Amino acid sequence: AQSVTQPDIHITVSEGASLELRCNYSYGATPYLFWYVQSPGQGLQLLLKYFSGDTLVQGIKGFEAEFKRSQSSFNLRKPSVHWSDAAEYFCAVGSTGFQKLVFGTGTRLLVSP
Amino acid sequence: GAGVSQSPSNKVTEKGKDVELRCDPISGHTALYWYRQSLGQGLEFLIYFQGNSAPDKSGLPSDRFSAERTGGSVSTLTIQRTQQEDSAVYLCASSLEGTNPYNEQFFGPGTRLTVL
Repeated sequence: AQSVTQPDIHITVSEGASLELRCNYSYGATPYLFWYVQSPGQGLQLLLKYFSGDTLVQGIKGFEAEFKRSQSSFNLRKPSVHWSDAAEYFCAVGSTGFQKLVFGTGTRLLVSP
Repeated sequence: GAGVSQSPSNKVTEKGKDVELRCDPISGHTALYWYRQSLGQGLEFLIYFQGNSAPDKSGLPSDRFSAERTGGSVSTLTIQRTQQEDSAVYLCASSLEGTNPYNEQFFGPGTRLTVL
């Protein structure tokens, strides 16, 4: 069965510093991978996705993620964090057949001044 | 255009009561999903609709949970005889069609259910 692990429950980053959020997945075939962001009181918004091809994918709001098959990872990065990036971030894997998403437990990002 | 809407935004109920949660998907989206977000948990898949049929109900946690979709549009998630462990945020999502992974799932703001 598919599963997603986000090992960091909370991360605090200073504004302007770089960010990396970790995600590891378990899936037998080529995975469809996603990162979503959930701001307080908001629904989930898709940041980026990986299906195939170039392993470095660019998303909205200056985020990028790199798919590493050998490490079963899909880590999210941003070179310079803004206070508005404070939110909860979810990594997810989708299956073939239909797009039921399996989510990790999320990482809450706090941005300090 | 309008996004996915859910109602009510908040629901407080007493243990043992039945509740109905509503989801209005984006117009033209044939696929609809329900997820549950519990405190300290990730988002759990509950059920998927393609049109009015539900090919996958595997995530429904018990027979107290049911869902229907009518007219290929609005969906209702019903929880009977609510328990305190049902307290969670229930999220609905829709996409153009469910079998194409390129079709993004768009999420609603959720319904926060509190069972006292």
